[in-house]
Amino acid sequence: TQLLEQSPQFLSIQEGENLTVYCNSSSVFSSLQWYRQEPGEGPVLLVTVVTGGEVKKLKRLTFQFGDARKDSSLHITAAQPGDTGLYLCAGRGNTGKLIFGQGTTLQVKP
Amino acid sequence: NAGVMQNPRHLVRRRGQEARLRCSPMKGHSHVYWYRQLPEEGLKFMVYLQKENIIDESGMPKERFSAEFPKEGPSILRIQQVVRGDSAAYFCASSLAGGTGANVLTFGAGSRLTVL
Repeated sequence: TQLLEQSPQFLSIQEGENLTVYCNSSSVFSSLQWYRQEPGEGPVLLVTVVTGGEVKKLKRLTFQFGDARKDSSLHITAAQPGDTGLYLCAGRGNTGKLIFGQGTTLQVKP
Repeated sequence: NAGVMQNPRHLVRRRGQEARLRCSPMKGHSHVYWYRQLPEEGLKFMVYLQKENIIDESGMPKERFSAEFPKEGPSILRIQQVVRGDSAAYFCASSLAGGTGANVLTFGAGSRLTVL
């Protein structure tokens, strides 16, 4: 069974601080995706990482895919209240379905 | 080009009733996925369908739950004889192609089921 473990589950920080969210698995994934979900809405794709060791940047967000393609991290620099939300990592399973981690709830206080 | 459309957005049912949730995928998408989410948790995979075929139903409870994606019309997730534990948000996603790789899934806004 392919599982993704995210940590931490909850994070409450002040505006301007940096943070890192981790996504780990014992399985290899062909790709990993990061989503952000706001209350009452569906997840929205932020990024897809495909190559082991790959680093992608999206403004203040930096995504990294582990060399062995078993883990990924999301780093946010100088967090803002608008970054508040549920962050989800997801990997493509054997039959094509997406397998999600349990999510990290981020709260950024002004 | 409309996104993934789910309806109803909110559904209230009493224990023992049936719930039907509909999902119209993005135009041109023939792959549909259903997920279930409890508050502040991740999405739990339920079923993956391609037109008229169930590809993977490993996340579907064996009883009371069924899904279909007919040749014409939306995909339907049907829950019979609902119980309080079925209360959750149910999300549908669609993609242009399935299989492995980085194919993008587009999610709908979800249907929130409350069982009284």
